[in-house]
Amino acid sequence: NAGVTQTPKFQVLKTGQSMTLQCAQDMNHEYMSWYRQDPGMGLRLIHYSVGAGITDQGEVPNGYNVSRSTTEDFPLRLLSAAPSQTSVYFCASSYSGGQRGPGELFFGEGSRLTVL
Amino acid sequence: TQLLEQSPQFLSIQEGENLTVYCNSSSVFSSLQWYRQEPGEGPVLLVTVVTGGEVKKLKRLTFQFGDARKDSSLHITAAQPGDTGLYLCAGGNSGGYQKVTFGIGTKLQVIP
Repeated sequence: NAGVTQTPKFQVLKTGQSMTLQCAQDMNHEYMSWYRQDPGMGLRLIHYSVGAGITDQGEVPNGYNVSRSTTEDFPLRLLSAAPSQTSVYFCASSYSGGQRGPGELFFGEGSRLTVL
Repeated sequence: TQLLEQSPQFLSIQEGENLTVYCNSSSVFSSLQWYRQEPGEGPVLLVTVVTGGEVKKLKRLTFQFGDARKDSSLHITAAQPGDTGLYLCAGGNSGGYQKVTFGIGTKLQVIP
């Protein structure tokens, strides 16, 4: 059972470099999202998608781009890395919980990014 | 913006002790989820509560959703070293994307 797969697990960048964090899920979930986790800040939503071809901004979208060409994949692009983007990034997928609110979020193992 | 405050942020207890973690907001949520996260891994769902006043039990863990659906608590009875981890509460609403708002988390250490 693969679930949500994120790559790479670790990455070191220099300021100004760009990179893409990959995320793939095999559960046919309609919703996918990217979070960053920082000490004392909790998990904050960067971007999310409610289906292929549909994306929207979350709480902290600046400096990041996303696209969703297939149900399975939801890559996160850092356009010009800054030290403030040093963080642990989590991709998550979920189904709609309907009237009861969000369904269970299934998270990847995380990608630890350091920007020097 | 809906905010969730968790307390305490850090808790270090001896094996066998009881503890309670609180999650509070000024906003009403359709549902409240509790996740546990271990080092180097993503959070994993423990429970979802959806009805005001609802109580759910998961072995030694008891979860309660406040009557007004603005707060929740997690009580652990006779904590074990295996309970060590980061506990996150997350509030959500129905409709649209159903965004989830996370609390900062409570880092629990259970000492053998």
